[in-house]
Amino acid sequence: ETGVTQTPRHLVMGMTNKKSLKCEQHLGHNAMYWYKQSAKKPLELMFVYNFKEQTENNSVPSRFSPECPNSSHLFLHLHTLQPEDSALYLCASSLGPGETQYFGPGTRLLVL
Amino acid sequence: QKEVEQNSGPLSVPEGAIASLNCTYSDRGSQSFFWYRQYSGKSPELIMFIYSNGDKEDGRFTAQLNKASQYVSLLIRDSQPSDSATYLCAVNIGNNNDMRFGAGTRLTVKP
Repeated sequence: ETGVTQTPRHLVMGMTNKKSLKCEQHLGHNAMYWYKQSAKKPLELMFVYNFKEQTENNSVPSRFSPECPNSSHLFLHLHTLQPEDSALYLCASSLGPGETQYFGPGTRLLVL
Repeated sequence: QKEVEQNSGPLSVPEGAIASLNCTYSDRGSQSFFWYRQYSGKSPELIMFIYSNGDKEDGRFTAQLNKASQYVSLLIRDSQPSDSATYLCAVNIGNNNDMRFGAGTRLTVKP
């Protein structure tokens, strides 16, 4: 699905680093999402933005900080992560809440 | 009770058989139900969605919804090795229509 792009595709970082994940959607959608997918676990919803406004923060630690400057772009700023934060981070978008979500290819993150 | 439950599998079927994947959900008010397929190392891709009780067919795939039993299933007819993947059930819950995913069922279709 080329409608939702994510960069970088792979990221290795130390626990003291600061990095950012980027997501961009070209589908004209109004809602964007960050999910975390760890091995053997269900997809975990992290953040939801609807028309650039954050509508959900699913008890995510403050070391993850989202930013949504407009309906097409979504960032996830990372700082002082822990090894257990290593996972696949997926961005998705939908026309609106409750509508079909389309996923980006994900960023595979490894925290050393 | 988990919000969305699926058997983790693995489910193994021979090529050409029907694969049946099941999902139950806890929120009686849920209105939208989705099936996604996820190949290893890839992101989920939508197979189909269903909103109304009954069956919905799309090619070799049939989604079945029973809101009274809070149950949704996916049937794959004439299974192919290329259908081998993890199948995720997703359900919209609550007033915000947040999507909740099951843990997924891993399907293997053997030639």
